Amino acid sequence: EVQLVESGGGLVQPGGSLKLSCAASGFTFSGSAMHWVRQASGKGLEWVGRIRSKANSYATAYAASVKGRFTISRDDSKNTAYLQMNSLKTEDTAVYYCTRHRIEDRAFDIWGQGTMVTVSS
Amino acid sequence: QSALTQPASVSGSPGQSITISCTGTSSDVGGYNYVSWYQQHPGKAPKLMIYEVSNRPSGVSNRFSGSKSGNTASLTISGLQAEDEADYYCSSYTSSSLYVFGTGTKVTVL
Repeated sequence: EVQLVESGGGLVQPGGSLKLSCAASGFTFSGSAMHWVRQASGKGLEWVGRIRSKANSYATAYAASVKGRFTISRDDSKNTAYLQMNSLKTEDTAVYYCTRHRIEDRAFDIWGQGTMVTVSS
Repeated sequence: QSALTQPASVSGSPGQSITISCTGTSSDVGGYNYVSWYQQHPGKAPKLMIYEVSNRPSGVSNRFSGSKSGNTASLTISGLQAEDEADYYCSSYTSSSLYVFGTGTKVTVL
């Protein structure tokens, strides 16, 4: 079964750090670009960033709102992508989804169930 | 990168057709045929409904169709059904090699 499962969400204080994981199964993870998308409660989807495959030098890119604070990485041996979040702000509170990206048509075709991150004192 | 503009809500009766617009700029929607649409039911993950402006993934009903004119893309749902009630988001590749989503549209089946 094709699947993405996020984990690692929770409550963290402003200024703190958290690392999310996204475990993939059922498809060739190593050849796929992986993206992170977040959604604040009652709000729309916001693209966070991406990491490309080894063939594309594991290149990363980030939205302006998280650049310099968030880092995306991957471990192809574990079929897992990560989102390291530092210097967290209250406005980072959201459900975080990982999603597989198809480079040929720029579509996000597989989504995880999401993990909730709450930044609050 | 500003979010693409969608109407906050669209409604229709069962069997009717509705259209959701998604307006961007020449740096995103207007510049590339990489517009996709996602359906999201409450508490669920988004689901890909349309990619490359007008292509439907396997398993998606042919009642869903997409198009684009200039800087505006559109999603049309024909033969509206109760199960279509959900939030819909467009997304586009951008000239910065990044991605942007639309503001989202709540579809209500009357």
